[in-house]
Amino acid sequence: QVQLVESGGGVVQPGRSLRLSCAASGFIFTNHAMHWVRQAPGKGLEWVTVISHDGYTKLYSDSVKGRFTISRDTAKNTLYLQMDGLTIEDTAVYYCARDNSFHPWGQGTLVTVSS
Amino acid sequence: DIQMTQSPSSLSASVGDRVTITCRASQGINNGLAWFQQKPGKAPKSLIYGASTLQSGVPSKFSGSGSGTDFTLTISSLQPEDFATYYCQQHNTYPFTFGQGTRLEIK
Repeated sequence: QVQLVESGGGVVQPGRSLRLSCAASGFIFTNHAMHWVRQAPGKGLEWVTVISHDGYTKLYSDSVKGRFTISRDTAKNTLYLQMDGLTIEDTAVYYCARDNSFHPWGQGTLVTVSS
Repeated sequence: DIQMTQSPSSLSASVGDRVTITCRASQGINNGLAWFQQKPGKAPKSLIYGASTLQSGVPSKFSGSGSGTDFTLTISSLQPEDFATYYCQQHNTYPFTFGQGTRLEIK
C-alpha cells in the first residue's frame, strides 16, 4: 500500500543542522510532487516546502527560505529536508505528504531545537 | 500570502448530529480548497480536495462545497470517531496556507 515513513528527528541545539528523510513505498515516486508540512506543539499546520515530481522546481515558505533545502533521491525513493541554522521556532513535528492533494501523510518526526 | 479563516474555532455536537464548518479565503482561490481531519497524536488525514472531491476511502458522510472565497465542510450523522480537529487548506497558490483549525467535541 502507499506509505510514507519519516525519520531523522531529534533534539538539536540552536544554529545546528539536521536532515530529515521520508521513505516512500507503494507508488511510483517519480510521478509525484512531495511536500513537507510542520506542526509546532499544540499549534496548527504550516506548509514548509514542495518539490516537483522531477526535482527541478522547489518552493519554500518565507519562514524557512534560505535555511532549509528539499531534495529527492529517485534511486532510494526518498525525500529529504536539510535544515540548517535551526532556531527554537523550528521545533515541530515534521510530516511529508504526497501530491497537492496531500494524500497520504507520513506519521511525522519530532524536531526539538533547544539549548 | 492567502489567509484562511475557519469558523467556528470549536464546536460541540452530539452523536447523530449534522455539522458544518466554514472556511473563508482572503482572496479567490477558485476550487483549490482541501479539508483534513486530525486526531490527537496522529498525522492529518486528507478528506476532500478540489473543494468537493472526496479522497479515496473517505465515507460519503463527509462533503465539501464552495468556490472562490467561501467553502464548507459538512459531516452528517456524527459518530464517535468523527470527533477531531478539522483544518482547511488552500492549494491554489503558493505558499499553501492552512486555516487555524476547528475542534469538534462531543457534547
